[in-house]
Amino acid sequence: AQKVTQAQTEISVVEKEDVTLDCVYETRDTTYYLFWYKQPPSGELVFLIRRNSFDEQNEISGRYSWNFQKSTSSFNFTITASQVVDSAVYFCALSLYNNAGNMLTFGGGTRLMVKP
Amino acid sequence: ETGVTQSPTHLIKTRGQQVTLRCSSQSGHNTVSWYQQALGQGPQFIFQYYREEENGRGNFPPRFSGLQFPNYSSELNVNALELDDSALYLCASSLDPDALGEQYFGPGTRLTVT
Repeated sequence: AQKVTQAQTEISVVEKEDVTLDCVYETRDTTYYLFWYKQPPSGELVFLIRRNSFDEQNEISGRYSWNFQKSTSSFNFTITASQVVDSAVYFCALSLYNNAGNMLTFGGGTRLMVKP
Repeated sequence: ETGVTQSPTHLIKTRGQQVTLRCSSQSGHNTVSWYQQALGQGPQFIFQYYREEENGRGNFPPRFSGLQFPNYSSELNVNALELDDSALYLCASSLDPDALGEQYFGPGTRLTVT
């Protein structure tokens, strides 16, 4: 069975600081997909990124960047120059290619608080 | 293009009662998944419907059941409610059921069981 662990339950930073959210996953499958979602107080999960297991290139999108390392089964997420609007709960998730049902397995989430 | 909508937004039920939650998928999406998110935890997969058939199920008892209609909207039914069923129920739609499909989530229904 697959598992996603987000060891940091809560992080507090001051605006403009950089912050990294950690994600470690477990699966025996060789083909899988990793995701990050943002959940603001409204409750709706907002898709941020999808990465497949064969693509270990890091990705940057504006202030967001992702570091995927298969050797350590990690898919970490960094926000550069954090802003108050980044305050939310962030979830890392895993989906297996052969899933019957496209099931997302989520980590427990990291609550990020960015203070002005 | 309308996003995923869910109704009601909040609901309070008594233990032992039954509840029906509704979800309208994003236009053009034929696959709907349901997740349960307990307070302070990550969402847990309940089941998925594809073209009106259940297409995968998580570790939830049979009292959690669902339906998908020809217009791809969906219902989640929970019988014999228990206190632990109190949670945010999230619906997600996608273009297709495979793992590549990006899932679009609705705002959720907050269910409180007393």
